[in-house]
Amino acid sequence: SQTIHQWPATLVQPVGSPLSLECTVEGTSNPNLYWYRQAAGRGLQLLFYSIGIGQISSEVPQNLSASRPQDRQFILSSKKLLLSDSGFYLCASIFSGAQRTQYFGPGTRLLVL
Amino acid sequence: AQKITQTQPGMFVQEKEAVTLDCTYDTSDQSYGLFWYKQPSSGEMIFLIYQGSYDEQNATEGRYSLNFQKARKSANLVISASQLGDSAMYFCAMREPSGGSYIPTFGRGTSLIVHP
Repeated sequence: SQTIHQWPATLVQPVGSPLSLECTVEGTSNPNLYWYRQAAGRGLQLLFYSIGIGQISSEVPQNLSASRPQDRQFILSSKKLLLSDSGFYLCASIFSGAQRTQYFGPGTRLLVL
Repeated sequence: AQKITQTQPGMFVQEKEAVTLDCTYDTSDQSYGLFWYKQPSSGEMIFLIYQGSYDEQNATEGRYSLNFQKARKSANLVISASQLGDSAMYFCAMREPSGGSYIPTFGRGTSLIVHP
């Protein structure tokens, strides 16, 4: 079965510090991968998606970047965090199947102080 | 214009009663998929149910059913026999043909509270 892992689960970082959030997928190959951000009490904002190794599409210009160094690994990064980067970050994947259902990882809660 | 509209920011239901969460969508494509997700306070997004635009029957998964009215472009989620654990945010989403990227559009969500 397919599983999506994210770490860390929670993170408290000072403004101006770097960020690296990791997402890995098990049980599938060549998945589509996605990074979302969710502010408290709000909906989902798509940040990046990837259809293959090294292929990243950015949906929203911001302080963040993404990379896909391996087929089942998706990394969200920042060189200098802003207060507005606080939120709940969700990694998602679409596995094979006609429905193309998007499944989500457990998420990372980031607080920038 | 919003592609997915969830007009109920909050809903309340008595335990063991049924509840309907509304979702309307906007698309000019003939082939699309509709999804419902549950997000409890833990934050994880849990896939509940899927309806394809060509599916003639309403989708059902246990206590969840999707009331799909294609002409009205609505895809309401029906939860039967509500349980306290059903208290959560519920998001409706639509996936349109997108050249392989399969990016769904999400609604703003409905908060459901189940009373004992």
